Parts: sequence; C-alpha cells; structure tokens
Amino acid sequence: DGGITQSPKYLFRKEGQNVTLSCEQNLNHDAMYWYRQDPGQGLRLIYYSQIVNDFQKGDIAEGYSVSREKKESFPLTVTSAQKNPTAFYLCASNARDRGVQYFGPGTRLTVT
Amino acid sequence: GDSVTQMEGPVTLSEEAFLTINCTYTATGYPSLFWYVQYPGEGLQLLLKATKADDKGSNKGFEATYRKETTSFHLEKGSVQVSDSAVYFCALSDRNTGNQFYFGTGTSLTVIP
Repeated sequence: DGGITQSPKYLFRKEGQNVTLSCEQNLNHDAMYWYRQDPGQGLRLIYYSQIVNDFQKGDIAEGYSVSREKKESFPLTVTSAQKNPTAFYLCASNARDRGVQYFGPGTRLTVT
Repeated sequence: GDSVTQMEGPVTLSEEAFLTINCTYTATGYPSLFWYVQYPGEGLQLLLKATKADDKGSNKGFEATYRKETTSFHLEKGSVQVSDSAVYFCALSDRNTGNQFYFGTGTSLTVIP
C-alpha cells in the first residue's frame, strides 16, 4: 500500500538535545511538507520541499532544519534552538502539479 | 495572499442532528478546495474536494459545494453520528502559488448520543 510513514509515533527527549523525526513516502510525490500542530490549534508550516535537494522555509522555520537527499525521504531535525519543541508533528506530500495533500500519522514529541 | 477562514468551535451536536461548518476563502487564482478530517492522535485524512466553481464534493454523507460568488465551501451533513466526532479542516490549493496548501484553523465537532 502506498502512503506516508512517520516514526516514531511518540518521542521523548531532554531539553538541549537535537532530535530527528523521520518521514518516508512511497507515493512518488515530488513535494513534501512538515507541519507543527499544538493542542487545539491548526497547522503551521515549518519547511517544504518541491524537489530533491531543494527546500524552503515555512512560517515557523526557526529552530528546525531539514534535508531532501532522496525523493522518498524528508527528515526534520528539531534543534536545541527551538524554544518550545513539544508538539505534534505532521509530514505531508503531494504531486507537484496537483492536489491532494496526503498526511502521515504524525509524531508526538515531548521535550522535558 | 491566500487564506482560509472557518468557523470556530467547538461544536457539540446530538446524534442525527444537521451539521454545517462554514468555510470561506481568499485566493488570487482559481483554487481547489478541500475538507480534511483529523481523529484524535492521528494525521489528517482527505474527506472531500472540489476543483472548480459549482462542483460538489461528497463522501460518507458529507457534502460541500464550491461557491465562487460567495468564496465559500461550507461542509454539511444531514445526520451526524457519534463516529463523526473529530476536527475538520478546510483547505485550499492554488496553482498561482505553486500549489501551496493553506489550511483553516480547524473546527472540533463532538457528537453526543
């Protein structure tokens, strides 16, 4: 079955540590996205990539970094510079010239 | 710029009640419009979509009609069930902005038996 996988489902880290969230898709989509969702809030765009080896900052990129070395993979690193990293992180993808945007199951990150 | 505005929640309804969640949009071009649903602890799932004016998207008893004259895409269901309890997001995708997606803030729906 085609889809988007995110791992792990739950992640716990100590403050000051960098952590990388995985996102893999086998939909052959060019575009991939990372969103952050806080309790009771909508989605905020962190980073997106329209093509391999290229990515752009979204609305809240500070304290995050990404890479896009392969079409299937778009990992997100939450650095120690991110002041409030505890949140639910969603990865998504779509074909470049068309909707629909498809979402992974999410990773809930807790930093203490 | 492009944006989506949807009615704030939370919304609480009794089972079999009629549901409307309002959504209006602003776009520079001719966007595609979507409704997504999110169950607790999960990612978003596409519920329905419409790609041009006057199109009606429908799925699982939910419907929404793309109204260009009122820039709206309201979600409706004639008889809600407890299993419809979730958060609903209205979204648009605009070719003029490279098919970037813009999401509303989400509306939480709780259906009580």
